[in-house]
Amino acid sequence: AQTVTQSQPEMSVQEAETVTLSCTYDTSESNYYLFWYKQPPSRQMILVIRQEAYKQQNATENRFSVNFQKAAKSFSLKISDSQLGDTAMYFCAFMKHEVLDMRFGAGTRLTVKP
Amino acid sequence: SAVISQKPSRDICQRGTSLTIQCQVDSQVTMMFWYRQQPGQSLTLIATANQGSEATYESGFVIDKFPISRPNLTFSTLTVSNMSPEDSSIYLCSALTASGANVLTFGAGSRLTVL
Repeated sequence: AQTVTQSQPEMSVQEAETVTLSCTYDTSESNYYLFWYKQPPSRQMILVIRQEAYKQQNATENRFSVNFQKAAKSFSLKISDSQLGDTAMYFCAFMKHEVLDMRFGAGTRLTVKP
Repeated sequence: SAVISQKPSRDICQRGTSLTIQCQVDSQVTMMFWYRQQPGQSLTLIATANQGSEATYESGFVIDKFPISRPNLTFSTLTVSNMSPEDSSIYLCSALTASGANVLTFGAGSRLTVL
């Protein structure tokens, strides 16, 4: 079974600073997808960024980027120029190719301070 | 991307009763998923619901407790049966809504409180 581990239950960052959230996973699969989702207090799950395991290039979406280390099974999220609206729970998730059911880590609660 | 609507958004239920949560997608989707999020916890997959077949349940979840219907490609329901306070959670519906992208889109969730 695949497991996703987020070792930082809570983090905080000053507005405009950069923060990195950690995620590791365990799988014997070679083809899979990794995701970061954000869940603000409204509880709506919002996709932040997505990475396909066969792509070596790290995904980037505006202020959000990942450091994907396939051999180390690590998938960290970097948020640059943090904004107050980034305050939320962040979940790392794993999806096996062709099975398509998503498995989530325990989450990291990020607080951006003014 | 597609929009997923869930109702009720929240409800307070009495022990021993059952409640059905509805999930409507504004486009046709093949695969839908139901997740549970207990207070302060992560999301746990309850079952996968494909149109035209029985739902596939994860370990720890059974059909008698969480019956699921999937009558067409845009709609699904999850029933939480014979509820107890331990069933107090947020229940989220999700679907693969971008063909080939393998990304899950989520509804806003249904917060159930069982007294």
